[in-house]
Amino acid sequence: QQQVKQSPQSLIVQKGGISIINCAYENTAFDYFPWYQQFPGKGPALLIAIRPDVSEKKEGRFTISFNKSAKQFSLHIMDSQPGDSATYFCAAASGRYSGGGADGLTFGKGTHLIIQP
Amino acid sequence: KAGVTQTPRYLIKTRGQQVTLSCSPISGHRSVSWYQQTPGQGLQFLFEYFSETQRNKGNFPGRFSGRQFSNSRSEMNVSTLELGDSALYLCASSLGGQDNQPQHFGDGTRLSIL
Repeated sequence: QQQVKQSPQSLIVQKGGISIINCAYENTAFDYFPWYQQFPGKGPALLIAIRPDVSEKKEGRFTISFNKSAKQFSLHIMDSQPGDSATYFCAAASGRYSGGGADGLTFGKGTHLIIQP
Repeated sequence: KAGVTQTPRYLIKTRGQQVTLSCSPISGHRSVSWYQQTPGQGLQFLFEYFSETQRNKGNFPGRFSGRQFSNSRSEMNVSTLELGDSALYLCASSLGGQDNQPQHFGDGTRLSIL
């Protein structure tokens, strides 16, 4: 069962444009939603994360939008640059480690983003 | 501050062998998680250790095991290797404790099974 569905699989955006990647989840226990960026030969790097008590979080050119009722969240990259070309992963986790434990991060399948100069 | 360090970076083994991978977390981080990354299945959670105890476990067979030492360094072991175990194995560390904390990944160990 794929608990986090990510789309699109690949995306080509012109330099200066807005890149938008979407994710949908099924498990209503999820309460932590990070986005990771991965370059070839490197591990995923944490970009930005959101919790469901806010609908939007912005850090620099990166913005997460969160819709709790629709169980969807998205990453917007403003003024996309060639250096943003990478694979992006959304993820989700249920928080509380107190006894019940969490299942680690559940990742989407990834979006291969190419920014054309 | 140094990041998460994984050794070795590359490893080639044959079917039936066993392998041990090592992870040194960011200084001060007490939680270490392991993930398997493959083109087909993507990133999948293996297990998490906190204060030398396995706290969470993903849906992998018992051939996959791990441990954590008192200095928070962790090792992952895979026994009786199968061709399907070929993957990038990633380690992530976080502060641990209550509630989700940001997880920071190393660059992984690329394991190839011949």
